[in-house]
Formats: sequence, structure tokens, C-alpha cells
Amino acid sequence: DQQVKQNSPSLSVQEGRISILNCDYTNSMFDYFLWYKKYPAEGPTFLISISSIKDKNEDGRFTVFLNKSAKHLSLHIVPSQPGDSAVYFCAASPPRGFGNEKLTFGTGTRLTIIP
Amino acid sequence: DGGITQSPKYLFRKEGQNVTLSCEQNLNHDAMYWYRQDPGQGLRLIYYSQIVNDFQKGDIAEGYSVSREKKESFPLTVTSAQKNPTAFYLCASKGQHNSPLHFGNGTRLTVT
Repeated sequence: DQQVKQNSPSLSVQEGRISILNCDYTNSMFDYFLWYKKYPAEGPTFLISISSIKDKNEDGRFTVFLNKSAKHLSLHIVPSQPGDSAVYFCAASPPRGFGNEKLTFGTGTRLTIIP
Repeated sequence: DGGITQSPKYLFRKEGQNVTLSCEQNLNHDAMYWYRQDPGQGLRLIYYSQIVNDFQKGDIAEGYSVSREKKESFPLTVTSAQKNPTAFYLCASKGQHNSPLHFGNGTRLTVT
């Protein structure tokens, strides 16, 4: 049972344009969401997170949007740069006392930025 | 500087042999985790430990064992009972509630 889903295995975007990566979840208990970026043969690095009390969080070129009613979050990268080419994972966890110690990851989306 | 060290980067073993993957952290984090990455399957949780001398099974613990004798160290043993051991293994640690996981750079295990 895949509780966190990234339905697009890959995405190609022109350099300078906006990249939008999507993630859906099924567990309504999830209240903390994160995005990670991963290069081949390296560990994932944390990008940005959002708590369910917010619907948007911004950090430089990265913005995460959360739509709780739709159980959907998205990561926007503007403008996209060649160094953004990587695999992006979304992850989610429930509140403390409900398994907060565990993150559930999606299957990842491979983003390719075209120069 | 602080971080998570996994060693070795690449590991080769013959089928039927147990193998232990090392993970050390100097972030002073209480919680540590082992994930496995396979193509098209994202990251799947093997074992995790929230405190020294205690650990819990994750979603795919069969064929694996761990120990947590020190706060800094969380070694993972891939036993001969693991049916598909060839994978990329990632160790991570976590600080406080609602803080992100910090990952090591992984160990690629190949069993032939």
C-alpha cells in the first residue's frame, strides 16, 4: 500500500522555466511533509518542508504548496537550473505519538533540466 | 564538520554470506534509520532506532539485523536470509520532532 505517491517518474523542463513536481498521499494522519533531492550514488539531501498548519512554504527558488483537502503537495522550482537535474522524493510523517519517528517516501521523480 | 559516514561505498559479497554495513554519525542525534533504495521503488525503511539499545522493525526488516550499542553507531547486517540483497543502502539520523532526516552517502551492495 503506497501511502505517498509520485505518479510522474520523470519530467523534463527547459532551463529558466518553472519545474513543478507533484506528490499525493492517502494517509490523512500525515501532518509534516518534506522534499528531498538526490544525485546518483549519493544520499538524499533535504530541500524544504511544510507543516499541515500552512499551505505554502518558500525558500529561495523552492516553494512547496500543500492542499490538505486534496491530499496533494507540489514543489515549484523557479527558475530551473541545470544543477536541479536530480531525482526528487517527497516524504510524509504523522504527528508525534502516531509514528512520527518514521518518514514514508514516494517513489521519486527524475527531473531533467534542458539547457 | 558534522555528518553521517557510511562505509564502504561499494561492497561485494558471495551469496550465502552475511555482511555488515557501517553507519556512524556525529550529529548527536538520538534516532537513526536504515533505508534501502531499489529502482522505481523509492526508499523503503528496514530498521530504525530511537534510542541506544532499542530498535524497531521497519517495513522490510526480513533478512536484516541491527544493533545500537552506541548513540553514534547503527550497523546493519544483511544476512543470507535476505532474498534480494543487492541494493543501495542508506543510513540516516534525525534530531527533534518534525525535523528532517540527514542521510549518509550510501553503500552499494552487490551480491552474486
